[in-house]
Amino acid sequence: QFVLTQPPSVSGAPGQRVTISCTGSSSNIGDGYDVHWYQQLPGTAPKLLIYGNSNRPSGVSDRFSGSRSGTSASLAITGLQAEDEGDYYCQTYDSSLNNSIFGGGTKLTVV
Amino acid sequence: EVQLLESGGGLAQPGGSLRLSCVASGFTFSAYAMNWVRQTPGKGLEWVSAVSATGSRTYYADSVKGRFTISRDNSKNTVNLQMDSLRDEDTAVYYCAKDPSGSYWGHNWFDPWGQGALVTVST
Repeated sequence: QFVLTQPPSVSGAPGQRVTISCTGSSSNIGDGYDVHWYQQLPGTAPKLLIYGNSNRPSGVSDRFSGSRSGTSASLAITGLQAEDEGDYYCQTYDSSLNNSIFGGGTKLTVV
Repeated sequence: EVQLLESGGGLAQPGGSLRLSCVASGFTFSAYAMNWVRQTPGKGLEWVSAVSATGSRTYYADSVKGRFTISRDNSKNTVNLQMDSLRDEDTAVYYCAKDPSGSYWGHNWFDPWGQGALVTVST
């Protein structure tokens, strides 16, 4: 259904490390377009977490990191905290659709 | 502090119209492109429309082309989304979001986002 595929959910214990994948194709991530990541905490608007594959905006914790390889990208979160619970979305550009596109989102649960 | 505040959401009937507005503060509004992105439980996040910094160029998703019109008033730090011929599937929370560039390139990120305006299309 979504051009960018994310796992529906991931979970981890406090202090652990989790990764969220974002799989695309040759018309988006594989074509070299940058990937950006957003965090959406319950009841709030999305917030930019990572831009340009691996860059953190000012004020974002260094526990969050991003990478891109081939047709996929990943968001890693280290030292999980309860406040990290929420939804995470990847975003890039698709040259076939000529649009900015988002992944379906991944719900992070800190157990 | 950069802030975006949407208004104008509400209930509309299929075929009806609504106009969303977003007032910006904390940055030089006239230097940046602005976007509208919507979110539904079923379809997730969807980019809807963008307008260049000067307002001279506008961009639309195929799903709203011909029905929605984006505009901006740089003297009032405001970007608007006129939504006509509304359909059930336009029901969503609509966010305005700042572009890092003066032009819309599609591959840029959105930062920050407003708090959102709920649009419900229903009889």
